[in-house]
Amino acid sequence: EAGVAQSPRYKIIEKRQSVAFWCNPISGHATLYWYQQILGQGPKLLIQFQNNGVVDDSQLPKDRFSAERLKGVDSTLKIQPAKLEDSAVYLCASSLMGAGASPLHFGNGTRLTVT
Amino acid sequence: GIQVEQSPPDLILQEGANSTLRCNFSDSVNNLQWFHQNPWGQLINLFYIPSGTKQNGRLSATTVATERYSLLYISSSQTTDSGVYFCFPGGTSYGKLTFGQGTILTVHP
Repeated sequence: EAGVAQSPRYKIIEKRQSVAFWCNPISGHATLYWYQQILGQGPKLLIQFQNNGVVDDSQLPKDRFSAERLKGVDSTLKIQPAKLEDSAVYLCASSLMGAGASPLHFGNGTRLTVT
Repeated sequence: GIQVEQSPPDLILQEGANSTLRCNFSDSVNNLQWFHQNPWGQLINLFYIPSGTKQNGRLSATTVATERYSLLYISSSQTTDSGVYFCFPGGTSYGKLTFGQGTILTVHP
């Protein structure tokens, strides 16, 4: 079984530029999550999709972050414009069911550096 | 969301030693997961354990949901066990699924 795929692995941009991350979950997984992990901290949930609908985006900074999951499969997370404090690892995860009701599987993440 | 407290925050061991990591959570949960984040940042799901005890090689986990805690046991630790261990309780409905701050484990040869 293929795992969660993410790209790119690394990205360096200047502040005020835009960036996009891509995630392809495990086949058949209805729930997809984007997490932000700042160095030294645990992952923080940004947005959770159930199929192609958003079930939790309460911690997503909506003035600069956006995410979509068209057709309920792969997903993109965009930051526009980026700030220095957005430097972090962006992790995508998927699970068969939501609400933590089935095991969560993570991709390898995208390490973003904003200069 | 559910509040998560993990202890100890840091743990340093010699290879071959045993250890116990604890996770306390603030509300009723339907399930709990333990993850290992290796030094390269990869998050690996170790256990999905709503209640009771599970074992996988040198690792085992116990969740006592009624008392709102879970324990992760590592026996005969190896240098490859180094990294950060996170617990992740799942609630009874959709909501902010919260990770704890983790336990940083360092195993010296």
